[in-house]
Amino acid sequence: GQNIDQPTEMTATEGAIVQINCTYQTSGFNGLFWYQQHAGEAPTFLSYNVLDGLEEKGRFSSFLSRSKGYSYLLLKELQMKDSASYLCAVRESDYKLSFGAGTTVTVRA
Amino acid sequence: TAGITQAPTSQILAAGRSMTLRCTQDMRHNAMYWYRQDLGLGLRLIHYSNTAGTTGKGEVPDGYSVSRANTDDFPLTLASAVPSQTSVYFCASSEVAGGSAEQYFGPGTRLTVT
Repeated sequence: GQNIDQPTEMTATEGAIVQINCTYQTSGFNGLFWYQQHAGEAPTFLSYNVLDGLEEKGRFSSFLSRSKGYSYLLLKELQMKDSASYLCAVRESDYKLSFGAGTTVTVRA
Repeated sequence: TAGITQAPTSQILAAGRSMTLRCTQDMRHNAMYWYRQDLGLGLRLIHYSNTAGTTGKGEVPDGYSVSRANTDDFPLTLASAVPSQTSVYFCASSEVAGGSAEQYFGPGTRLTVT
């Protein structure tokens, strides 16, 4: 089974940087995903990590350390439209995804 | 391209009644999934199907059943609804069950059981 922890809420100012941490415990690891979910909408894919290190995609980057059971999502140059929930999800070796409860990010002007 | 669609968008259902939530994808994805999302608990997997003709149980399968007769459709049935099944239900699909394949989510069905 999975135990995935991420902060409930974070607030940041437009143009700033925010780092959302995710820690997990798993018996079998086969990748970590980050999804974005705006209120009332479906989750959409942001990033995937399976090896240790940093993956960069424009303003968003995701980092993974398998030995520490730790990942973070870095959002740079924050925009108002980045206000959303960010979901950390871990895939076990049987390919099923387990999601954290999500981190609600509020971007203030 | 429609992607993945769900019906209905929302529904109020009396306890004890049955209901089928529909999910259709046009991306020819092999794998499909049903999740429920409740405040503070995040997305929880109900059932999944790695390929047409096969299904499996997720984290919270009790009270739900699924079928996967073809690639495109993956209906979720509540045989006898209970108030604890009030939730937002998301259907998702991915090209394959493993690798780096991301899951694509439908718009969701908001179900209230009274």
